[in-house]
Amino acid sequence: GAVVSQHPSRVICKSGTSVKIECRSLDFQATTMFWYRQFPKQSLMLMATSNEGSKATYEQGVEKDKFLINHASLTLSTLTVTSAHPEDSSFYICSALPSGGNTIYFGEGSWLTVV
Amino acid sequence: DAKTTQPPSMDCAEGRAANLPCNHSTISGNEYVYWYRQIHSQGPQYIIHGLKNNETNEMASLIITEDRKSSTLILPHATLRDTAVYYCIVRFNNAGNMLTFGGGTRLMVKP
Repeated sequence: GAVVSQHPSRVICKSGTSVKIECRSLDFQATTMFWYRQFPKQSLMLMATSNEGSKATYEQGVEKDKFLINHASLTLSTLTVTSAHPEDSSFYICSALPSGGNTIYFGEGSWLTVV
Repeated sequence: DAKTTQPPSMDCAEGRAANLPCNHSTISGNEYVYWYRQIHSQGPQYIIHGLKNNETNEMASLIITEDRKSSTLILPHATLRDTAVYYCIVRFNNAGNMLTFGGGTRLMVKP
C-alpha cells in the first residue's frame, strides 16, 4: 500500500525557535499534500493544502507566515513552524494524494512540544 | 463536501462483528463515502471507500443504503487492536480535494 512517512516523529523545541517537519511519499508521487493539526481529544483540523511547485493554500485562521509550507518535489513537503510558542504544541499530520489517484494516505504524525 | 453524523462512541465484544453507522443525508451523487480510523497517537489509516455499491476488502465491509443517505462499516471479527476512532467522510474525488474530519466514533473493543 501507499506509504507516507513523517520526520521527526517527536520534537521538542524552545520558544522562539523554528522547527521543520518533513513529509515524504515513499512509493508514489504526490501532486497534492495536506497538513493537519490535532489537539488532544479533538479531531483533525486542516491547516493547508500544498501542490507541488506552487504556493500552499491555507485555511482560514492559519497564519501562512508562521506555518511555512514547501512542496518542492513530488515526494516531499515540509512544514516549518516559525517562532514557535507553547500554544503551537500539537500533533501535526501530513497526508498525500497520489498523482492520478483518489485515495488520500496519511503519515504517522509528528508531536511538537514547545517549551 | 456533505456533512456526516456518527455516534460518538460504541463498544464491541472481541471476536464479534462491529457495525459502525454513518448518516450522510445531504450526500450528492458524485460524492464518495470514505472510512478512516485513528489509533491513539497515530496518523489516520485508510480503511475503505465506496460510491454506490457495497465494498469489501481485507479490513472491512462497507454497506451503503440504496438512497446513499447512510452507510455502515463492518469489522467482521473485531480484535482489541481495532480499538480506535473511526471517521466517516464524504468527499468528491477531485484532484486536490481534502478530507474534512468530524468527531468520528470511538470504538472500544472489549475482551
